This record gives sequence, structure tokens and C-alpha cells, in this order.
Amino acid sequence: AQSVTQPDIHITVSEGASLELRCNYSYGATPYLFWYVQSPGQGLQLLLKYFSGDTLVQGIKGFEAEFKRSQSSFNLRKPSVHWSDAAEYFCAVSGNQFYFGTGTSLTVIP
Amino acid sequence: KAGVTQTPRYLIKTRGQQVTLSCSPISGHRSVSWYQQTPGQGLQFLFEYFSETQRNKGNFPGRFSGRQFSNSRSEMNVSTLELGDSALYLCASSHRQGQAGSYEQYFGPGTRLTVT
Repeated sequence: AQSVTQPDIHITVSEGASLELRCNYSYGATPYLFWYVQSPGQGLQLLLKYFSGDTLVQGIKGFEAEFKRSQSSFNLRKPSVHWSDAAEYFCAVSGNQFYFGTGTSLTVIP
Repeated sequence: KAGVTQTPRYLIKTRGQQVTLSCSPISGHRSVSWYQQTPGQGLQFLFEYFSETQRNKGNFPGRFSGRQFSNSRSEMNVSTLELGDSALYLCASSHRQGQAGSYEQYFGPGTRLTVT
């Protein structure tokens, strides 16, 4: 069965520090993977996606993610976090429907 | 190009009532999916419509239904509201044609439903 696990419910980082959000997936076929961000009271915004090819994908707002098939992971990274990055982040895998992780809440401290 | 729009943005209903939520997809998108988001359950898939037909359905009771019109706009209906139906209901549209997974979804801002 398809599923996505985000092990970290909440992460706090200092502004300017690097960030890595973890995502592990379970999917029988070639996974199509996504990261979305949600600000309070808003819908989800697509940060980046992986369909095939280069395993390091670049997204918007300076985010990138690396697909590692051997580890069934698709971790999101940003070299320097800004206060405006504080939000909820969701990893997802698509098949005949989207399967979302439970999300990681990011707090950025000055 | 305009994004996904959802109306209304906020709703307060009483237990036992019914409610209809509306979603207008991005122009050219024919696939519309609905999700329920709650703090306890996270994002849960309700159903997907494509060309006026329900193509996939999540694990929700029959009180939750939807439809899609010829212009791809979609509505979802919840009958006999329960307190547990209080949630953010999100609509997403995509270019998806077949059943393959290589498609991204674009989300609307959601409708916040409160059942009292």
C-alpha cells in the first residue's frame, strides 16, 4: 500500500540556518513525489516535484529535494532559512490518488 | 492564469444540516480532487472527478458526495452534518488525463467548515 511518513512533527530552526525535512515513502512502482507548503489558513502550494531523471530537484523559494530510491526517501532541504519559511510542509506521493504525509511544522526563530 | 478558487471561504452550520461547497479549477484543468484536512487526521482524500465522472473515491461515508459540471467546476455536498465534519475542505485541480501518477495538483485556499 502507498504511504508517506514524515518522522518529524515539529522542527525549530534559527533564521539563516540550514534545514532538512525528512520524508519516506512506500510505493510499489516508480514514485512520483512532491513537496507542498501550507501557510496558516491557506491552501497548499507546490514547492517541487520529482517524476524521473536527475535525483536532485530544484523548487521555488530556494528549496531542493533529493530522491534516494535505496532509502525510499525524498528529503527537502534549504541552505538558509528565512523567517517567512515558517509553515507546514507536506510530502506526497501520487498514484491513482495523492497520498500525503502528516506534515512537519516549521518554526523559525530570529 | 487564475488559480483554483473555492467558495465560500468560511461556513458555520448546525449539526444535521447539509452543506454545498464549490470549486472552480484552473482553466484547462479537467481533473478536480477534494480533500478534508483536520488536525487529527491530516489530509484525507475524498474523491476525484474527471470529465463529469467520479474516477476515484476515498474512504468516507455516503454523506459525502460530489459532482462535476461540463465546465469542470465541481461541488461537494455533505448531508446530515456531524460535529466531526468540521474541517478545512481543499479542492485541487490538475491536467491529469489518465490514471498515471505523473501529474501535479494545484490547490485552492480551502473552505473552513465549522459544525456546531
